[in-house]
Amino acid sequence: IAGITQAPTSQILAAGRRMTLRCTQDMRHNAMYWYRQDLGLGLRLIHYSNTAGTTGKGEVPDGYSVSRANTDDFPLTLASAVPSQTSVYFCASSDEAGGQYTQYFGPGTRLTVL
Amino acid sequence: RKEVEQDPGPFNVPEGATVAFNCTYSNSASQSFFWYRQDCRKEPKLLMSVYSSGNEDGRFTAQLNRASQYISLLIRDSKLSDSATYLCVVNTGTGGFKTIFGAGTRLFVKA
Repeated sequence: IAGITQAPTSQILAAGRRMTLRCTQDMRHNAMYWYRQDLGLGLRLIHYSNTAGTTGKGEVPDGYSVSRANTDDFPLTLASAVPSQTSVYFCASSDEAGGQYTQYFGPGTRLTVL
Repeated sequence: RKEVEQDPGPFNVPEGATVAFNCTYSNSASQSFFWYRQDCRKEPKLLMSVYSSGNEDGRFTAQLNRASQYISLLIRDSKLSDSATYLCVVNTGTGGFKTIFGAGTRLFVKA
């Protein structure tokens, strides 16, 4: 069982270009999340999806979009990348047991926008 | 005030030492609590959940104080391999999207 996979592992992107970060889970979790992690700021939620077909905005959604066509996949798209989107991006999914939402993370995508 | 605040790091301790991390949270309605571990350039991984009665997993003990709104993590007999960043994580409501991650505390265990 792979858990959560992300692609690419890293990417250098020119400003203004469109980029899609891929995320796939095989745990059949209903909920999935995208975070960015910047030094000193911790993980910040970009977008989330509680179940296939639904999405919601997190703390820092501007400049990003997501879709959730099925349970397994949750791609994150940067329509027109800007240097401030340079960050490490983590995809996560969660199960729910007894009211606890335990999140499991993918290995991350390191994105540099020049 | 941040919703989840952790001890400023880094903590530098010798092997075999006992080290404790504290974390405070601002939302009194918070429902579930976790400690995650993150190694350099890697993803966060669940270390342990934190239960109201306190819980222990080997050398690690987690405690929750709802009245004072803080949680703690105690590591006994520190190993070199414990060197990492420890994230305090709080779920403030119904739904995983209401999970708040602390900025983390770095621990260095030295021989």
